[in-house]
Amino acid sequence: GENVEQHPSTLSVQEGDSAVIKCTYSDSASNYFPWYKQELGKRPQLIIDIRSNVGEKKDQRIAVTLNKTAKHFSLHITETQPEDSAVYFCAASMNYGGSQGNLIFGKGTKLSVKP
Amino acid sequence: NAGVTQTPKFQVLKTGQSMTLQCAQDMNHEYMSWYRQDPGMGLRLIHYSVGAGITDQGEVPNGYNVSRSTTEDFPLRLLSAAPSQTSVYFCASSYDRDLAGTGELFFGEGSRLTVL
Repeated sequence: GENVEQHPSTLSVQEGDSAVIKCTYSDSASNYFPWYKQELGKRPQLIIDIRSNVGEKKDQRIAVTLNKTAKHFSLHITETQPEDSAVYFCAASMNYGGSQGNLIFGKGTKLSVKP
Repeated sequence: NAGVTQTPKFQVLKTGQSMTLQCAQDMNHEYMSWYRQDPGMGLRLIHYSVGAGITDQGEVPNGYNVSRSTTEDFPLRLLSAAPSQTSVYFCASSYDRDLAGTGELFFGEGSRLTVL
């Protein structure tokens, strides 16, 4: 089955700096890669996702890149703000022609943004 | 829409007791799943369902049962609770995705379970 590795487990940056979180996956058939943000005591929520037919996707200060050959994908947050402090999870799944693939999550990265 | 609703939010059990975590969604989602979240372990899939009457095992199914008699409800049963099942449990649902559709999982607020 799919295995997702996520690094680093903790990340501390100064407000305004950039943050990068990296994930690798094992199943070359995986084709959907979302990122979830979980604030303390809250539920995980989707912040951005990418499919395997796209190499990069941006949404304001966040971007995700995908390297299918190397089987890794990364989350980039620019101009970090204190409200970006949270745990971030990457995930991978394979969905094909309407079939639901299960999301397998990485272990998470705790991002702390210091004012 | 209420989204995904989980009950109870908190529960303390003694070893060997049984209980059911309830999950309901009002978005007419075909796909529902249960995850457990433990410190440093991320979110691990317990069981999932792609529609009423269909369930299957995830990464860590041992000690848990599920059923899906309706599209809306997906309860998780612990038949004989063990301290290793102390965790935060999240129910999640999603549209039955196709290649062009969103794959977003909508999570409930979570249920914190402690087994003594």
